[in-house]
Amino acid sequence: GAGVSQSPSNKVTEKGKDVELRCDPISGHTALYWYRQSLGQGLEFLIYFQGNSAPDKSGLPSDRFSAERTGGSVSTLTIQRTQQEDSAVYLCASSSMASKETQYFGPGTRLLVL
Amino acid sequence: GIQVEQSPPDLILQEGANSTLRCNFSDSVNNLQWFHQNPWGQLINLFYIPSGTKQNGRLSATTVATERYSLLYISSSQTTDSGVYFCAVRSGGSTLGRLYFGRGTQLTVWP
Repeated sequence: GAGVSQSPSNKVTEKGKDVELRCDPISGHTALYWYRQSLGQGLEFLIYFQGNSAPDKSGLPSDRFSAERTGGSVSTLTIQRTQQEDSAVYLCASSSMASKETQYFGPGTRLLVL
Repeated sequence: GIQVEQSPPDLILQEGANSTLRCNFSDSVNNLQWFHQNPWGQLINLFYIPSGTKQNGRLSATTVATERYSLLYISSSQTTDSGVYFCAVRSGGSTLGRLYFGRGTQLTVWP
């Protein structure tokens, strides 16, 4: 079946503008995760959704970052008033009990804030 | 949170050589995954291995949970093995939840 998809693939924006990043998880996966990867770095956790439970927002770096997951499927990560330090690759992953908890990652959105 | 340390940070090999990548973690885990990030940035699942040993072709992995480390073995390396290898773990009793990533091992395989 289809894997995790993300859009857009690349996004260039000006400092101060808002951006929205989209993630479509694997069908049937109940858990969805957002991470980001700065140049040459490992992955930094941002937020985690599991079914109808309250999301784990502990990784969001500031209140400019927010995310929602509609209908238990598609998720949108919003960054308001973007700053240059927000430039990174934003990666989405999904998992389920049936997949033995393995997290499967999308191709990422490369965000560049000028 | 859990600390994850990977070694070596960089590894350069001639094609055909074998290598061992190590992942140490600071607390008990109930999920450990190895990923390969290819030059295009895609994270590819290699192993889900919270304990024990698994093999997949030229790659194998062993996790000794009681001693808090995992090893990834690459035999007869090929140029297509180049990229960054990440180890990631999850702690706690929950069966789902965030992963903590190491900083990765950058592998370069020369022909």
